[in-house]
Amino acid sequence: NAGVTQTPKFQVLKTGQSMTLQCAQDMNHEYMSWYRQDPGMGLRLIHYSVGAGITDQGEVPNGYNVSRSTTEDFPLRLLSAAPSQTSVYFCASSYSRGAGTEAFFGQGTRLTVV
Amino acid sequence: KNEVEQSPQNLTAQEGEFITINCSYSVGISALHWLQQHPGGGIVSLFMLSSGKKKHGRLIATINIQEKHSSLHITASHPRDSAVYICAVRSGGGADGLTFGKGTHLIIQP
Repeated sequence: NAGVTQTPKFQVLKTGQSMTLQCAQDMNHEYMSWYRQDPGMGLRLIHYSVGAGITDQGEVPNGYNVSRSTTEDFPLRLLSAAPSQTSVYFCASSYSRGAGTEAFFGQGTRLTVV
Repeated sequence: KNEVEQSPQNLTAQEGEFITINCSYSVGISALHWLQQHPGGGIVSLFMLSSGKKKHGRLIATINIQEKHSSLHITASHPRDSAVYICAVRSGGGADGLTFGKGTHLIIQP
């Protein structure tokens, strides 16, 4: 089982560049989400999706776009990278948002914006 | 929004010691998750619980719903247990339902 797969694992961008962080899951999960992890802070929700074609903003959505054309894939786009977006990004998926639902996380993408 | 507090923030112990990591939250929840993150690695789910106690190998997780508190215990700790342990609560509402603590950085020295 591949679970949740994120690519790339590491990326360095120059300020103003754009890029897409890829996330794919093979568990047929409806719910997918993107978080960023910064030193001294808990994971913060960027965007989430409750199913194909449905996305919504989380706590820190500015500077990021998402789309969900298939159940499996949930890419995160940085429109114009800024140093404040230097962070570790995690994609997660779960069957639902219900109480008994386990969350599965990817390996993370470590992004540096210079 | 639920506030999740973990303690301690950092913990260094010797191999073989009994470890306790605490998590407190401010609002009633439907479930609590304990997660593990090794340096440079991904996040792995250890436990999901809504009441009582769960055990997996040397790891034990407990939750007291009335006191809004959970503990993660590691018995006979080993250097491979060195990781960041994250508590996350599911409140059942809002965009995502998951609120995360800042994590406890555990180092087990041989």
